[in-house]
Amino acid sequence: SAVISQKPSRDICQRGTSLTIQCQVDSQVTMMFWYRQQPGQSLTLIATANQGSEATYESGFVIDKFPISRPNLTFSTLTVSNMSPEDSSIYLCSVEERRYSGNTIYFGEGSWLTVV
Amino acid sequence: DAKTTQPNSMESNEEEPVHLPCNHSTISGTDYIHWYRQLPSQGPEYVIHGLTSNVNNRMASLAIAEDRKSSTLILHRATLRDAAVYYCILDTSGTYKYIFGTGTRLKVLA
Repeated sequence: SAVISQKPSRDICQRGTSLTIQCQVDSQVTMMFWYRQQPGQSLTLIATANQGSEATYESGFVIDKFPISRPNLTFSTLTVSNMSPEDSSIYLCSVEERRYSGNTIYFGEGSWLTVV
Repeated sequence: DAKTTQPNSMESNEEEPVHLPCNHSTISGTDYIHWYRQLPSQGPEYVIHGLTSNVNNRMASLAIAEDRKSSTLILHRATLRDAAVYYCILDTSGTYKYIFGTGTRLKVLA
């Protein structure tokens, strides 16, 4: 399975600032996904990021707030812009591996952001 | 998006089997059923997936109903390390999305 590294693993951010989260994969993957997990909640899909095309955002998420880059098949970034305390969450990067027996997604350990 | 429903929580005694149910009545014919679990302070971890037939791996078994509208994740002997939130999700073909529901929080009693 793919090994996914996220940076930073944790951060405390000031209100109004922006933070970029990096996601590095040890193999080339087509589909990458960014999720948010608010405290005590399930995962919510933010956007799907394919290399070479603009990210596709889910309802309730916009590019101005969560710009995403996908410069190559092993790397992606998610920026959380103009942060407020409501953005305090775990942000998770995941990748899809395609197999004959059905596709599977794997997750990084997450980036735990606290906005003060 | 196809949705799944799971009980909010379940308890099991250590060393006993656990059957975690999932309903997915709106599943389409090509949707795979996936199970993931999230241990405390970690990202979700793949457990198992299947399409129509029951599946076994080193972690668990997946039993899929004949009409595919429900499935059950089976942990054959629960250990304390299996305490986690278990998510049942559908690989909605054609949309390339993996939408998570609320999951089942499994508590394992020593």
